[in-house]
Amino acid sequence: SYELTQPPSVSVSPGQTASITCSGDRLDEKYACWYQQKPGQSPVLVIYQDSKRPSGIPARFSGSNSGNIATLTISGTQAVDEAAYYCQAWDSRTVVFGPGTEVTVL
Amino acid sequence: EVQLVESGGGLVQPGGSLRLSCAVSGFTFSSHSMNWVRQAPGKGLEWVSYISSRGTTKYYADSVKGRFTISRDNDKNSLDLQMKSLRDEDMAVYFCARSTLVAVASTESLYMDAWGQGTTVTVS
Repeated sequence: SYELTQPPSVSVSPGQTASITCSGDRLDEKYACWYQQKPGQSPVLVIYQDSKRPSGIPARFSGSNSGNIATLTISGTQAVDEAAYYCQAWDSRTVVFGPGTEVTVL
Repeated sequence: EVQLVESGGGLVQPGGSLRLSCAVSGFTFSSHSMNWVRQAPGKGLEWVSYISSRGTTKYYADSVKGRFTISRDNDKNSLDLQMKSLRDEDMAVYFCARSTLVAVASTESLYMDAWGQGTTVTVS
């Protein structure tokens, strides 16, 4: 079965750039999307089809997908961005989630 | 306003059954595929099941195949998950989520752009 890998945690200073990676075999041959989840809340889609932002998602969120790695980038990170982030792909009629990355804004 | 409201969670013994429901409003339910996704306490997201907009296509995670059944009623704007032979590892918050499955340049993309608040299933 297909697997996605993410770093468990990422720390970033306010105003700096946070990069969260998601790796999978030939991931660039699929589309990756990203969800943000804050404690006690439901997930929110922040990036879909590798790099598209849903309406209402701030422009500081961006995404890319190349080779085996998809990346979610948060530019000018704010305290409100502290959350868990999950990548997700669609493979062989299966939804696959990455294990999640906790982003801490120090 | 798009709303998805899950219900039906509760305490069930191992081996027991439970039926979850998701009532939706604020969008054309019959135009969207739907999913169930669960999250065990302190853990990440785990996809459970997918159903197409008309209900003709269903997919399941290996961990629930043969035990869970997804269904929908487009007239009632509702999504269900029938769970049988429940195990300890099925204990989780269960979310229903609206999805879009689209082919882009011959590659399929599925993403979930609206989620409910979740309903808790406790197996004990």
